[in-house]
Amino acid sequence: DADVTQTPRNRITKTGKRIMLECSQTKGHDRMYWYRQDPGLGLQLIYYSFDVKDINKGEISDGYSVSRQAQAKFSLSLESAIPNQTALYFCATSDGDGSTETQYFGPGTRLLVL
Amino acid sequence: AQKITQTQPGMFVQEKEAVTLDCTYDTSDQSYGLFWYKQPSSGEMIFLIYQGSYDEQNATEGRYSLNFQKARKSANLVISASQLGDSAMYFCAMRDGGGADGLTFGKGTHLIIQP
Repeated sequence: DADVTQTPRNRITKTGKRIMLECSQTKGHDRMYWYRQDPGLGLQLIYYSFDVKDINKGEISDGYSVSRQAQAKFSLSLESAIPNQTALYFCATSDGDGSTETQYFGPGTRLLVL
Repeated sequence: AQKITQTQPGMFVQEKEAVTLDCTYDTSDQSYGLFWYKQPSSGEMIFLIYQGSYDEQNATEGRYSLNFQKARKSANLVISASQLGDSAMYFCAMRDGGGADGLTFGKGTHLIIQP
């Protein structure tokens, strides 16, 4: 089984709808992240969390919110989806305990907002 | 200011040749880390290799090595003996400072290996 899972893998929604993307991990990592990737571009950080009680905004947090329900679960919500939020969304985790802080990514969620 | 620059939008390479993918970075921190990720057409992000700013030797992982030139602020990925399965997007990324607040990514290089 994959260490970092994301649901759904694909989602089509309409402008104005609220949607939630979910991320679960079995790696036992404290730190979790949400990124978005627009076509032809690298990833940009939306939100990150050091633990259940710690949530931080990334560089492009407007229009998004998150919830860290448990160490293993980190959800991303689009309160009112708009077409320019169409993108590939990645969840990632890191252990925060080693020198590398390597981040391990989930498989991604492709979101299309009509 | 752009923190990670990948100047090669696309590259075509013959199978079995070595490949160098360029990456330059900008940071004022003394402690930072550099990463390379591979993104095949299926979309997942696969971690390849890591180099810490204090590491004295260049990192290697199998066919991947990182040519780290600190004074020039470059961290080029070298793939030896390329294979058809190496065709993918490759992203250079950096964490700086304390490292907990996420990675900064370059725009990527699309590598195509030709038979």
